This record gives sequence, structure tokens and C-alpha cells, in this order.
Amino acid sequence: RKEVEQDPGPFNVPEGATVAFNCTYSNSASQSFFWYRQDCRKEPKLLMSVYSSGNEDGRFTAQLNRASQYISLLIRDSKLSDSATYLCVEDQTGANNLFFGTGTRLTVIP
Amino acid sequence: DAGVIQSPRHEVTEMGQEVTLRCKPISGHNSLFWYRQTMMRGLELLIYFNNNVPIDDSGMPEDRFSAKMPNASFSTLKIQPSEPRDSAVYFCASTALSDSPLHFGNGTRLTVT
Repeated sequence: RKEVEQDPGPFNVPEGATVAFNCTYSNSASQSFFWYRQDCRKEPKLLMSVYSSGNEDGRFTAQLNRASQYISLLIRDSKLSDSATYLCVEDQTGANNLFFGTGTRLTVIP
Repeated sequence: DAGVIQSPRHEVTEMGQEVTLRCKPISGHNSLFWYRQTMMRGLELLIYFNNNVPIDDSGMPEDRFSAKMPNASFSTLKIQPSEPRDSAVYFCASTALSDSPLHFGNGTRLTVT
């Protein structure tokens, strides 16, 4: 059983659209969550951390729902450069013992 | 900073051969992680080290896999003997603190025929 579940997509959206991804996790005691971005044939890179109160970084908003055990990523005003795979990550022990989802693939279409 | 450096970038080998993957973490980082990524299973943690000491190797698939970190600037992941199901991209990552983001290397794409 995967600890972290994501919809693999693909999500194909037009430029300028708003798109949201959800990710469910299994360990109710987990404290830290992240979204990583991975471009084709590249390494994953940290996009943003997810805080209990929710956090925003420009066009990106991440939220955590502990009651339902899911985290979300919202991308507003999608750009072509947002095309990538977005990985949901759960840190179960707080010691960088990270569990990665299999990723959600996003393609932004001109 | 050069980032996490992995070698080789690509490795093609025949079943039964020994494969050694190498990683140089970012200078000053004291935690190092080896991950394997496949389409079916995504990113899986194989093993990680803190201060050169293996902390959790429960993700290592079987005895054919072994990892070492002889010093703070070098780690190896060895597969002996290799099998076609080992074909994947192997990533090394490092971090300075337990609550800091991971920095990944470019990965080694392994193909076992």
C-alpha cells in the first residue's frame, strides 16, 4: 500500500487556466508535507512546503486538510513552463523520511 | 556550489553484471539518500545515511543491493548481480538538516538487459 496517493493525470489545461491537484496520505501523525516538481528526465526539485495554515507563493497555493488527510496544490494563471510532474511528499518521522507520491502530470497547452 | 553529483549518467549492462553508482553530496550536507524511480512505483527510498552512518536500509530490495558511505563526500550503491527488473533511474539526494529540503542529483539511468 502506497503511503501517498495521487491522481496520475495527465491534466491537460489551456494557458491561463486554474488547476488543482489533491494528494492523500496515510499517517495521521505526519507533520511535514511538500510539493516537488519534476521535469521530464530531470531530478525532482522542491516547489513548496505545505503548512497547516496553508501557504501561497505567487501563483501557487498549497493547503493541508488534516481531518481528511489530504494536501492540495492550486496553480493559478497556468503558464506553459508549469508543464511538469508534481510530486506530493509526506515526511512521516520529521527526519526527512520522505514518502513520495507517483506524481501528477500536468501539460499546459498554448 | 556544484550540487549533488552522480555518475554515471547512463549505464547499460547485461544481466548478472555488477553495477556501481556513485554520488558526491553537497559539501556540508550530513544526510544522504538513495532513491529509485520507476513509472510503476514512483520514487522509492532505498537507504539513507546520517553522518556517514546507515540509518534505514529497509527500502533496499534484497541482498543484491548494498550501499556504502566511506566519508562525508562520497557514497556508492552497488548491485551485484544485476537483473532486468533493476532497470530504473537511481537518484542520490542530500540535505543539511532534518527539516531542510532534499537536493537531488541528476540521477543515473540504469538499463539491465
